[in-house]
Amino acid sequence: GDSVTQMEGPVTLSEEAFLTINCTYTATGYPSLFWYVQYPGEGLQLLLKATKADDKGSNKGFEATYRKETTSFHLEKGSVQVSDSAVYFCALLHAQGAQKLVFGQGTRLTINP
Amino acid sequence: ETGVTQSPTHLIKTRGQQVTLRCSSQSGHNTVSWYQQALGQGPQFIFQYYREEENGRGNFPPRFSGLQFPNYSSELNVNALELDDSALYLCASSPHSGGATGELFFGEGSRLTVL
Repeated sequence: GDSVTQMEGPVTLSEEAFLTINCTYTATGYPSLFWYVQYPGEGLQLLLKATKADDKGSNKGFEATYRKETTSFHLEKGSVQVSDSAVYFCALLHAQGAQKLVFGQGTRLTINP
Repeated sequence: ETGVTQSPTHLIKTRGQQVTLRCSSQSGHNTVSWYQQALGQGPQFIFQYYREEENGRGNFPPRFSGLQFPNYSSELNVNALELDDSALYLCASSPHSGGATGELFFGEGSRLTVL
């Protein structure tokens, strides 16, 4: 079955550091790929998405590129801020029928000033 | 614009009991999905409702059931609670667009503890 694997957390960085959170997936066909973020005390919210190979999703300075050859969708940001501290989830979806997202286990990110 | 709201936020039940969790979808959204998030894990899809009918289900037993009402709000019912049902239950709404987009709007969840 479909699955998503994220890098183990927690991840702790200093402000303005470069961020990479790794995500790889196993799926039949060509799913859409997502990053969701959960800030403290808030619900999950969509950060960015990519629907086909070589697409780059971007939002709030974060980027991720859909790499079919390596089945990856790594999240990157050039300069993190304290306000980026949150739990990040990688997910995939087959765009048929239900909104059945398959999530990774999440990566907790803490940014220190 | 009112977001997705869930109730109760926290509850404690004992094994064998039944529980009902409630969700109000975001204004204008007619599709509701439910997810279970165990501690330290990512959310897992339970089922989805559209036009008051279940139209997708994950790998959960029949004791997990749901309803959607004409105003698009929804309930999740779990019978014969087991210890492993302890989790954060997330409701997510989305506008129906003729296909799955993955763009969901989540509530903050209901945290269920089964003793």
